[in-house]
Amino acid sequence: SQQGEEDPQALSIQEGENATMNCSYKTSINNLQWYRQNSGRGLVHLILIRSNEREKHSGRLRVTLDTSKKSSSLLITASRAADTASYFCATSSQGGSEKLVFGKGTKLTVNP
Amino acid sequence: KAGVTQTPRYLIKTRGQQVTLSCSPISGHRSVSWYQQTPGQGLQFLFEYFSETQRNKGNFPGRFSGRQFSNSRSEMNVSTLELGDSALYLCASSLDPGSAYEQYFGPGTRLTVT
Repeated sequence: SQQGEEDPQALSIQEGENATMNCSYKTSINNLQWYRQNSGRGLVHLILIRSNEREKHSGRLRVTLDTSKKSSSLLITASRAADTASYFCATSSQGGSEKLVFGKGTKLTVNP
Repeated sequence: KAGVTQTPRYLIKTRGQQVTLSCSPISGHRSVSWYQQTPGQGLQFLFEYFSETQRNKGNFPGRFSGRQFSNSRSEMNVSTLELGDSALYLCASSLDPGSAYEQYFGPGTRLTVT
């Protein structure tokens, strides 16, 4: 079963706009990671945020983590057409086997 | 540094056959994980190997197996293929096992079972 669930399933925006994707999970986690996948290709790691962190930045990416609500959000600012991809959150449960469990992803389309 | 490589990139097999997929991790990475990606089920964890030992296993039937060699290269095997095994199989490597390390993914092997 999926641990993380992304929302929305699909998002379409114009270049220059911000894109926000959310991830909710069910059990306590060690950390949460975000990955990007261009159509039919391998995944690219974006950010890892630990359970004791609340916010992390990397370039135009900002990730927040709210462990009380068991949710995370990924914000992409000033989006570009090249940001068009599917975005996945992946969680590792506390006390579990440490394997990463991926959500089904948010498909982001940035229109030029 | 070369990235994770997977061979072959595309494969067409018929039901009942078996298949072996190969993964070469990034130099220095000792952990290799395998995932199956389908439109219906999304990304599902198959197994993780470290030091030639299977460290974790997902909920897949025994037809799915894997191994890791002393140079960290890994193979996965699927026997008695079923139509539902058609998927993108992704391999990922990391410095060490465990979720604290980011995973570097290969481009995947697209398996089609007819």
